[in-house]
Amino acid sequence: DAKTTQPNSMESNEEEPVHLPCNHSTISGTDYIHWYRQLPSQGPEYVIHGLTSNVNNRMASLAIAEDRKSSTLILHRATLRDAAVYYCILRDQVQGGKLIFGQGTELSVKP
Amino acid sequence: DGGITQSPKYLFRKEGQNVTLSCEQNLNHDAMYWYRQDPGQGLRLIYYSQIVNDFQKGDIAEGYSVSREKKESFPLTVTSAQKNPTAFYLCASSTGVAGLSGVLTFGAGSRLTVL
Repeated sequence: DAKTTQPNSMESNEEEPVHLPCNHSTISGTDYIHWYRQLPSQGPEYVIHGLTSNVNNRMASLAIAEDRKSSTLILHRATLRDAAVYYCILRDQVQGGKLIFGQGTELSVKP
Repeated sequence: DGGITQSPKYLFRKEGQNVTLSCEQNLNHDAMYWYRQDPGQGLRLIYYSQIVNDFQKGDIAEGYSVSREKKESFPLTVTSAQKNPTAFYLCASSTGVAGLSGVLTFGAGSRLTVL
């Protein structure tokens, strides 16, 4: 199963952009890149996902490297409510199956 | 509203007792998952099921058992063989059909404490 690597923690100031990196050098051609975030004592919630092209939605943007070995989750203007643990995982679109979460990145946002 | 319901939210167990955590979804999802989370840690996969009457072990299946008799239900039993069961348990579901992106929807979690 392809794995991901993320920094343990990052800090941001409120209303500034945040770029959360994820390395997935063993990604296969059929893997989707998913991002989720988790607030304390809650279940994770979906943020965004993509395959090859950059993606935007109301929560964030996902920038995928041309070789797909890394990706970046972009929060355009961080708010205090964005403070959470962010997880990057890979989902095989053909086989589905095991979804392995890493340690994630704990994002703190300073007012 | 469609979603995943986990119960109970909090559960206390004496050592040596089995306990079953409930997970029900009304999203018509094929695949369901159980994860365990310890304080300050990420999620670890216990079991997953991609179709009714079939399930596979995850990375930490020892001391746990599951069943998938109905599409909407995927209960997890924590047995007395699980040596350190105190943790936060999360159930999730997704479309499991090949070719789809399979976004996960999570429940609110069940917190199990062994006394």
